[in-house]
Amino acid sequence: AQTVTQSQPEMSVQEAETVTLSCTYDTSENNYYLFWYKQPPSRQMILVIRQEAYKQQNATENRFSVNFQKAAKSFSLKISDSQLGDTAMYFCAAVSNFGNEKLTFGTGTRLTIIP
Amino acid sequence: NAGVTQTPKFQVLKTGQSMTLQCAQDMNHNSMYWYRQDPGMGLRLIYYSASEGTTDKGEVPNGYNVSRLNKREFSLRLESAAPSQTSVYFCASSDGRGTLAKNIQYFGAGTRLSVL
Repeated sequence: AQTVTQSQPEMSVQEAETVTLSCTYDTSENNYYLFWYKQPPSRQMILVIRQEAYKQQNATENRFSVNFQKAAKSFSLKISDSQLGDTAMYFCAAVSNFGNEKLTFGTGTRLTIIP
Repeated sequence: NAGVTQTPKFQVLKTGQSMTLQCAQDMNHNSMYWYRQDPGMGLRLIYYSASEGTTDKGEVPNGYNVSRLNKREFSLRLESAAPSQTSVYFCASSDGRGTLAKNIQYFGAGTRLSVL
């Protein structure tokens, strides 16, 4: 069984600053995938970034990047040059490649970008 | 591209009433999922279907039934609604197991359900 923990229920940052959202997970698998999803006030779940556990290189998507520390089972999301449109709930999630396809979510971090 | 379409978007039920939430995807995905989202609890898996004709229980299946009608459609039924089932419900789909891309889940816009 997998567990995903997000220890920051809420965060806020000034526009244009950089913010890091924390996520830790626990799994007995060697091969798994990690995701960050964004949920703006519209409620739509949007994939932000993904990472394969067996790849050492941290994933990057424009202003979004991750710091993946496999040994520490940590998968934090860094948002650079934050924008007002980044205001949303952010969920960390994990799935085992050889398991039962069940995506396990953390409880989310509510991020507010302050103008 | 429609992606994953859920109906209805909002619904109010009285305790004991029944209803079916509909979900359809047009991405030819093998796997489909139903989640519920409650404040402070993230998304929890209710049921999923790895392929047409198969369904499996998730973390919180009690009080729900599902039907994988065909490859495109996966419905969630509440036979006798209870106030504890007040929640936001999301349907999702993915291509299934294998590569990272296949494991990405795509979500519908959600259904806000209130049971009085």
